[in-house]
Amino acid sequence: SQQGEEDPQALSIQEGENATMNCSYKTSINNLQWYRQNSGRGLVHLILIRSNEREKHSGRLRVTLDTSKKSSSLLITASRAADTASYFCATDFSGGGADGLTFGKGTHLIIQP
Amino acid sequence: EAEVAQSPRYKITEKSQAVAFWCDPISGHATLYWYRQILGQGPELLVQFQDESVVDDSQLPKDRFSAERLKGVDSTLKIQPAELGDSAMYLCASGLGDRGYNEQFFGPGTRLTVL
Repeated sequence: SQQGEEDPQALSIQEGENATMNCSYKTSINNLQWYRQNSGRGLVHLILIRSNEREKHSGRLRVTLDTSKKSSSLLITASRAADTASYFCATDFSGGGADGLTFGKGTHLIIQP
Repeated sequence: EAEVAQSPRYKITEKSQAVAFWCDPISGHATLYWYRQILGQGPELLVQFQDESVVDDSQLPKDRFSAERLKGVDSTLKIQPAELGDSAMYLCASGLGDRGYNEQFFGPGTRLTVL
């Protein structure tokens, strides 16, 4: 089953604008990760935020985590055409010894030139 | 830069046939994962290995799917017999096995079409 739910399912913006995607999850987590997937390709890790962190930055990416609301957001600033891709949040839930990730359905982001 | 290798990249088969996918993780990565991704969905974990041992195969349909990582390096995922509903992208990922920072590195995937 898929724990995370991204919102919106699809987003189309103009190049240079900021893009914000949200993720909600259901159970307690060790960390939450964001991945990018270009059409028909493998996933690329973008950023990891631990359960005791509230905000993290990496280049043009900013991730926030609110464990009380079980939600996270990914902000991409100054978007570029190359940012067009699907973005997935993935959670490592805190039960058990295995650490396979549980992915959401993703947000499909289109950056229009 | 080290990458996860997968082969084949594409596979077309008829239902009831057997198929096998191969994955070579990044050197030194103890943890290996197989995920299945149906078009329009996020990946779903099938099986996780720590070295040569299975850590989690709770979502693996064991009546038709099998996975092995005999020497704790490369891995094979097999489906026998294939069914129409198995059409999907099969992704392999590897990681260092650090529970505190379990970033996963994905291969390009094998796209399976069952006719």
